[in-house]
Amino acid sequence: DVKVTQSSRYLVKRTGEKVFLECVQDMDHENMFWYRQDPGLGLRLIYFSYDVKMKEKGDIPEGYSVSREKKERFSLILESASTNQTSMYLCASRRDSPLHFGNGTRLTVT
Amino acid sequence: GQQLNQSPQSMFIQEGEDVSMNCTSSSIFNTWLWYKQDPGEGPVLLIALYKAGELTSNGRLTAQFGITRKDSFLNISASIPSDVGIYFCAGPNPLNDMRFGAGTRLTVKP
Repeated sequence: DVKVTQSSRYLVKRTGEKVFLECVQDMDHENMFWYRQDPGLGLRLIYFSYDVKMKEKGDIPEGYSVSREKKERFSLILESASTNQTSMYLCASRRDSPLHFGNGTRLTVT
Repeated sequence: GQQLNQSPQSMFIQEGEDVSMNCTSSSIFNTWLWYKQDPGEGPVLLIALYKAGELTSNGRLTAQFGITRKDSFLNISASIPSDVGIYFCAGPNPLNDMRFGAGTRLTVKP
């Protein structure tokens, strides 16, 4: 069974901090994704990666960057956290359909 | 990008009632997916549809791929308390990511 693991379930950070959200998958999937989930807005794509060191912007990349140095790991970076980045962050991976999700990281920026 | 409009936004029903929700797209999809998110978890795939007109069941769940390829429906029969959660429709974007609807939040009263 595919396992997508997000390193933290809950994070509390201060405005201006640099924040790293880590995601690891164990099924050798080429494609990995970071989504943000907010009430009434569904899941919005921040960035995705289709191979090591490759990345593509999603719908809302502003204020975020990503890193994919190894196939199994995809990191989301908030360069300078702001309160409007308080949200649930979901990592996912796939080879073909469907997506397999992690359990999410609920980030609060104070 | 392609927009997915999902309705209703929320539903409050009595245990044993049937539920219906739908999703429409501004453009054609070749695949429709339905996910469920339990509280505190990541979304999990319920049903995948790959052909226009296809009707697929998974236990008490039935989903249909609309003939126009621009819509899909999910029905839940005889709801039970564990059906509570957020249901998302999704479809693949040609750019290799996945587009999601805003979700339908289902509450089932015992």
